[in-house]
Amino acid sequence: NAGVTQTPKFQVLKTGQSMTLQCAQDMNHNSMYWYRQDPGMGLRLIYYSASEGTTDKGEVPNGYNVSRLNKREFSLRLESAAPSQTSVYFCASRVGSNQPQHFGDGTRLSIL
Amino acid sequence: ILNVEQSPQSLHVQEGDSTNFTCSFPSSNFYALHWYRWETAKSPEALFVMTLNGDEKKKGRISATLNTKEGYSYLYIKGSQPEDSATYLCAFMRSSASKIIFGSGTRLSIRP
Repeated sequence: NAGVTQTPKFQVLKTGQSMTLQCAQDMNHNSMYWYRQDPGMGLRLIYYSASEGTTDKGEVPNGYNVSRLNKREFSLRLESAAPSQTSVYFCASRVGSNQPQHFGDGTRLSIL
Repeated sequence: ILNVEQSPQSLHVQEGDSTNFTCSFPSSNFYALHWYRWETAKSPEALFVMTLNGDEKKKGRISATLNTKEGYSYLYIKGSQPEDSATYLCAFMRSSASKIIFGSGTRLSIRP
């Protein structure tokens, strides 16, 4: 029972490089989310997809793009990485209605 | 901008003591309030999803109450145990298809 799978788990980039973080869920969930976690700031929403075919900005979307490739997959792209994007990134999904989110294990991204 | 605030930021409690902390959220256009438990080096795990004013939920020694009219929720832990040490996050939703915005969490440490 894989749940929410994020790849890669760790990545080091140089400033200006591009990178796509992958997220896939096998629970037939409708909604998917990308968060970043920074010390003392909890989880901040970057982008979300309420259903297949839709995406919307969250609290901190600048510097990121997303693609909801199909119902299972929701990727996050950094076009030109900056040191301020060093963070732990979490993907989450949920079926909808009054159900909670299920989180992946996170991707630890360092930008030098 | 949705403001979700949690207090206190951190809490140190003696094993066996009971404790509680607060989540404050906008009282207008309320849909749901989530509580999650987040252990170090793991992913957040759902505790409760609360939707109705006056709702009370319970899971073992942990319970939560909800007041949507005044915009707050309390999480209670009875008889704290070392395994309760974690960060407790609340998250607010305005509609079933809306963004889910987290507070910055309450970090709970239990002293044996």
